[in-house]
Amino acid sequence: DADVTQTPRNRITKTGKRIMLECSQTKGHDRMYWYRQDPGLGLRLIYYSFDVKDINKGEISDGYSVSRQAQAKFSLSLESAIPNQTALYFCATRNSGGANVLTFGAGSRLTVL
Amino acid sequence: AQSVTQPDIHITVSEGASLELRCNYSYGATPYLFWYVQSPGQGLQLLLKYFSGDTLVQGIKGFEAEFKRSQSSFNLRKPSVHWSDAAEYFCAVNFGNEKLTFGTGTRLTIIP
Repeated sequence: DADVTQTPRNRITKTGKRIMLECSQTKGHDRMYWYRQDPGLGLRLIYYSFDVKDINKGEISDGYSVSRQAQAKFSLSLESAIPNQTALYFCATRNSGGANVLTFGAGSRLTVL
Repeated sequence: AQSVTQPDIHITVSEGASLELRCNYSYGATPYLFWYVQSPGQGLQLLLKYFSGDTLVQGIKGFEAEFKRSQSSFNLRKPSVHWSDAAEYFCAVNFGNEKLTFGTGTRLTIIP
């Protein structure tokens, strides 16, 4: 099994629908991150969490929310999806003692029609 | 402002030829530096990292990178590419905070 698992891997939805992307990890890491990847823009940070009680906004948090249900689970929600949220979303984890060496999930491709 | 630049959007190299992918950053101190590779349909895999010490670092899959403080660069190299190296490569920098800032990526195509 993968260390960082994202579900679903692919999702097509319509404008205005609520979408949740889920991430779970078996690494035992305390830090978890959600990134968005768009062609030509690289990866941009949406939200990150130090532990279940500590959630922080990244550079592009508008239109997104997150929930850290447990140390191993970090979900990303789009309350009302719009087409420009079509992207590849990555969850990543790391230990607080590690100098930002991230472990990535395989990605969730979201298409908003 | 802190930034990471990968000036080459797309590079095509013949199999067996050498490769250099460029990465520059803007920062007043020495950051932590990383190269990640993303194969089609996959997540990102760490190739190598630089924190301090020897400025030439070795990574997986035969890759190496050299940190040049005077040029604010961390270029990735491989002496002889293989068809399996075709992927997208991302330079990433930690500017002394919690976040990792990524470059826009360089897509590598290998021709036989």
